[in-house]
Amino acid sequence: KAGVTQTPRYLIKTRGQQVTLSCSPISGHRSVSWYQQTPGQGLQFLFEYFSETQRNKGNFPGRFSGRQFSNSRSEMNVSTLELGDSALYLCASSLSGQGEQYFGPGTRLTVT
Amino acid sequence: KNEVEQSPQNLTAQEGEFITINCSYSVGISALHWLQQHPGGGIVSLFMLSSGKKKHGRLIATINIQEKHSSLHITASHPRDSAVYICASNRDDKIIFGKGTRLHILP
Repeated sequence: KAGVTQTPRYLIKTRGQQVTLSCSPISGHRSVSWYQQTPGQGLQFLFEYFSETQRNKGNFPGRFSGRQFSNSRSEMNVSTLELGDSALYLCASSLSGQGEQYFGPGTRLTVT
Repeated sequence: KNEVEQSPQNLTAQEGEFITINCSYSVGISALHWLQQHPGGGIVSLFMLSSGKKKHGRLIATINIQEKHSSLHITASHPRDSAVYICASNRDDKIIFGKGTRLHILP
């Protein structure tokens, strides 16, 4: 079984731009969660999607949004990028969201 | 105070030593996760537990619900165990992460 894939792996953007990151879960997994990891704050939960619906959301501003497609692939979007958005963005998939999570390799976003 | 606290923050040990990493949480949870992150960023889920003890190879995880405390043990540690170990609590369908323990095993 293929693992969780994320594209792109690396991205450089400038302040004010917007960015879209993609996550393809393990086949059969219906839950996709997104996380931000920074040296200062560590890992933080962004949101979780299950069957195309956002089921849970962390404490991030509205500039961070996401969606899930019928094939369970998910995208997250960050608008009006700020320097502080530079981070490793990880997605993880699971069968139902309550069980073990399988992480992708992450997308490293640098905002200049 | 963070909702999930880990100790120690950093740990250096000799190959073969028994390693213990601790995790305390402040509110009731439905499950606790232990994750391993190697340099380069890849995260692997080691355990998810809600009670008792789980073992996988040289790794053992325990949780005490009453004391709101979990431990991750590594027996016969090896340099390839060098990584950051993160505990995370599941509460109200949200995950809260500890800051991680950076483990370095010397050959």
